[in-house]
Amino acid sequence: GQQVMQIPQYQHVQEGEDFTTYCNSSTTLSNIQWYKQRPGGHPVFLIQLVKSGEVKKQKRLTFQFGEAKKNSSLHITATQTTDVGTYFCAGLKTSYDKVIFGPGTSLSVIP
Amino acid sequence: DGGITQSPKYLFRKEGQNVTLSCEQNLNHDAMYWYRQDPGQGLRLIYYSQIVNDFQKGDIAEGYSVSREKKESFPLTVTSAQKNPTAFYLCASSIVADRTGELFFGEGSRLTVL
Repeated sequence: GQQVMQIPQYQHVQEGEDFTTYCNSSTTLSNIQWYKQRPGGHPVFLIQLVKSGEVKKQKRLTFQFGEAKKNSSLHITATQTTDVGTYFCAGLKTSYDKVIFGPGTSLSVIP
Repeated sequence: DGGITQSPKYLFRKEGQNVTLSCEQNLNHDAMYWYRQDPGQGLRLIYYSQIVNDFQKGDIAEGYSVSREKKESFPLTVTSAQKNPTAFYLCASSIVADRTGELFFGEGSRLTVL
């Protein structure tokens, strides 16, 4: 079946350093979504990417969707302690399909 | 305030008992979902419903049951047949039933089997 993988599983950074998490799918995706879950909280939607090669920015966060629509990345510039949490990518084979979540990347920021 | 309400937040259960987790939404969303979260495994889909009185199995439906008698409610029953029920359960909804969009999550229910 369809699998969505993420690396790294854990990342510890010093405050102010950059952070990147990578998401890879075993199949071509229609859309990819990103969510953030703070410790003890629930996932919160960040963004959805639909087009091949698409790049979107939200302040210090940059999201990319690969040309082949099988991978994606989330890059955070100059991390802050408020960035702490687990970042999940979630892929859809078609727009009408169920959402398949990756295992997440847990980010720790050392002040 | 619009949102998704899950209850209870914490639940303890003895082996062999069924337990029902509540999920209510006032967002007027068509689609509702139940996910299970275990450490290091992301979110796995248990059941989902795109319309009232209809629902489909997700990837790990065995040992679980659901109902969708009302648009705003999607309760999940964890039965005694579920081999390893201790987990964090998340309910979610999305606006449209025929095109997957942003998922809105409740705050979750943490089930511990003693």
